[in-house]
Amino acid sequence: NAGVTQTPKFRVLKTGQSMTLLCAQDMNHEYMYWYRQDPGMGLRLIHYSVGEGTTAKGEVPDGYNVSRLKKQNFLLGLESAAPSQTSVYFCASSYDAMNTEAFFGQGTRLTVV
Amino acid sequence: AQSVTQLDSHVSVSEGTPVLLRCNYSSSYSPSLFWYVQHPNKGLQLLLKYTSAATLVKGINGFEAEFKKSETSFHLTKPSAHMSDAAEYFCVVRPNAGKSTFGDGTTLTVKP
Repeated sequence: NAGVTQTPKFRVLKTGQSMTLLCAQDMNHEYMYWYRQDPGMGLRLIHYSVGEGTTAKGEVPDGYNVSRLKKQNFLLGLESAAPSQTSVYFCASSYDAMNTEAFFGQGTRLTVV
Repeated sequence: AQSVTQLDSHVSVSEGTPVLLRCNYSSSYSPSLFWYVQHPNKGLQLLLKYTSAATLVKGINGFEAEFKKSETSFHLTKPSAHMSDAAEYFCVVRPNAGKSTFGDGTTLTVKP
């Protein structure tokens, strides 16, 4: 079982460059999430989606955009990368909003120089 | 609004001794509560969850947690630590609409 797969696993960007992180899940989950993890700060929600074609802002959405054109994919875009976006990014998915666990990808380590 | 406070940023125990990782939460509604573990350079793995059923929840690898509404706590315990338990642990509260709030994490060190 693949579960949640993130692409790429590592990336180095120059300031001002753009990139897209891809998250794919094969569990038919409605809900998908993008988090960033910084030392000592736990995980913070960037954007999330409650179903195909929907997106919503999380706790730290500035500088990021997302799209959910297909149920199984959730894309996170950085239009103009900044050093402050250096972080580890995690995608997750869940079946519903409340009771079921979220399944996490392995993470993408992004460095912006 | 909800929040999660993990009371210890670092916990160090000796192998074979009990583990206690503390978590307090606040939530406007009856929440679901989760504990996740993250080993170095890995994603997060669910240890256990509370979803308004039994207040004592058993998880994987011998971990358990007790939901105490009166104390707004959801502490994680294990009777006997193993070297492989060394990792970072996150307490998570999820009241509605899929928006989870994570604690800042507790790093567990297990000494031989």
